[in-house]
Amino acid sequence: DGGITQSPKYLFRKEGQNVTLSCEQNLNHDAMYWYRQDPGQGLRLIYYSQIVNDFQKGDIAEGYSVSREKKESFPLTVTSAQKNPTAFYLCASSIALAPSTDTQYFGPGTRLTVL
Amino acid sequence: AQSVTQPDIHITVSEGASLELRCNYSYGATPYLFWYVQSPGQGLQLLLKYFSGDTLVQGIKGFEAEFKRSQSSFNLRKPSVHWSDAAEYFCAVGASGNTGKLIFGQGTTLQVKP
Repeated sequence: DGGITQSPKYLFRKEGQNVTLSCEQNLNHDAMYWYRQDPGQGLRLIYYSQIVNDFQKGDIAEGYSVSREKKESFPLTVTSAQKNPTAFYLCASSIALAPSTDTQYFGPGTRLTVL
Repeated sequence: AQSVTQPDIHITVSEGASLELRCNYSYGATPYLFWYVQSPGQGLQLLLKYFSGDTLVQGIKGFEAEFKRSQSSFNLRKPSVHWSDAAEYFCAVGASGNTGKLIFGQGTTLQVKP
C-alpha cells in the first residue's frame, strides 16, 4: 500500500530537549511538507522541500529544522528554541509536477506534548 | 496577502439534512482552491479542488463546491449529510509562486445529530 507514514503517533518531550519526528513516503513524490496544527488556527507551513537536498522555510520555521537526504524521507526536528512546541504535526507529499494545483497527501500525524 | 476565511467554526446539522460550509478567499489572480476533511486524530484527505473550467466541482463522498469569483467564495455543499461526515473541514488556497504552499482556513467542525 502506498502512502505516508509518520512516527511516533504520540511523543512527549521535556523542556530543553530536541526531538525528531519521522515522515516517510513510498508514493515516489518529489515534494514534501511539514505543517503544524493548533486548535482554531488551521494548518501552518513549517518547511517544505521540492527536491532532494533542498528545502525552504515556511511561515513558522523558527525553532525547527529539517533534512532531505532521501526522496522518501523528510524528518522534522523540534529544537529547544521552539517556545511552544505542543501541537499536532502533519507531514504531506505531492508529485510536484505543477505544485500550485497538485494534490497533497497527508500522513496520520504526530501529537507532540511538552511536559 | 493571500488568506482564507471560514466564518463558521462549528456547525451542527441533522442526519439527512443538507449542508453548506462557507469559504472566502483573498487572492489577486485566479485562485487554486481545495477542500480537505480531517477525522479526529487523523491526517487530511482531499475532497475536491478547483483551478479552472467548470465552476461547480464534484468531489468524493457526495460533496460538491461552487467557485464564485464575484463573491470570492468556494462553498462546500452536500445534499444529505450522513453521520460519518462528522469531521473537521478545511478550505485552502494555493499560494502564488508555484511552490506548492497551501494557505489554510481555520477549519469548520461539523457535528451530525441523529
